[in-house]
Amino acid sequence: QVQLQQWGAGLLKPSETLSLTCAVYGGSFSYYFWTWIRQTPGKGLEWIGEINDGGSPNYNPSLKSRVTISLDTSKNQFSLKLKSVTAADTAMYYCARGLMDTGKVTTIDHWGQGTLVLVSS
Amino acid sequence: DIVMTQSPDSLAVSLGERATINCKSSQTVLSIYNNKNYLAWYQQKPGQPPKLLLYWASTRESGVPDRFSGSGSGTDFTLTISSLQTEDVAVYYCQQYYSTPLTFGGGTKVEIK
Repeated sequence: QVQLQQWGAGLLKPSETLSLTCAVYGGSFSYYFWTWIRQTPGKGLEWIGEINDGGSPNYNPSLKSRVTISLDTSKNQFSLKLKSVTAADTAMYYCARGLMDTGKVTTIDHWGQGTLVLVSS
Repeated sequence: DIVMTQSPDSLAVSLGERATINCKSSQTVLSIYNNKNYLAWYQQKPGQPPKLLLYWASTRESGVPDRFSGSGSGTDFTLTISSLQTEDVAVYYCQQYYSTPLTFGGGTKVEIK
């Protein structure tokens, strides 16, 4: 049974860096895309980006300049860093597992529990 | 980016009745290489992350009841709940995986009438 458990700071000030980590239990790291998605009442579900088992990231162009997703296969963990946050980055952040088909990400079949991040001065 | 538009925003259906949710993509999500529609549906209940219901537009994920079905092709898709149960009260999202960035519809809230 695959489980994703995530953690990180939930309250940030504007201009700080958001940092979240997700641990993967009960499954292989191979042949999946390790993904971050956020959700707000206003913008809904937004794909932030992904990293494959080889460590190659792919980011949403709307966030690309501020995002870094990294992988630590020795710990079965992956992480998200989003720099220079503003109030617009206030959201529920989910780590998730994306399935792979012919080398491309497809659907999301497992999700972390979510971390509510509030950006406020 | 492919924009996903869902309708209606919300609907109220009597128990045992049919619920129909529509999803339209701004460009085709049908691959000419394998004739598959790169479209998924998710269910989200309060306080929980989304749960995958259907992929390839009409294939049910393991364990999903057969009252959930998907149809459509190209740019227009439908999720149907054939006989609404109390546990189906949730928000439903479509998602395209034809290209990145992956994009989701705005959601449709399903309630009991």
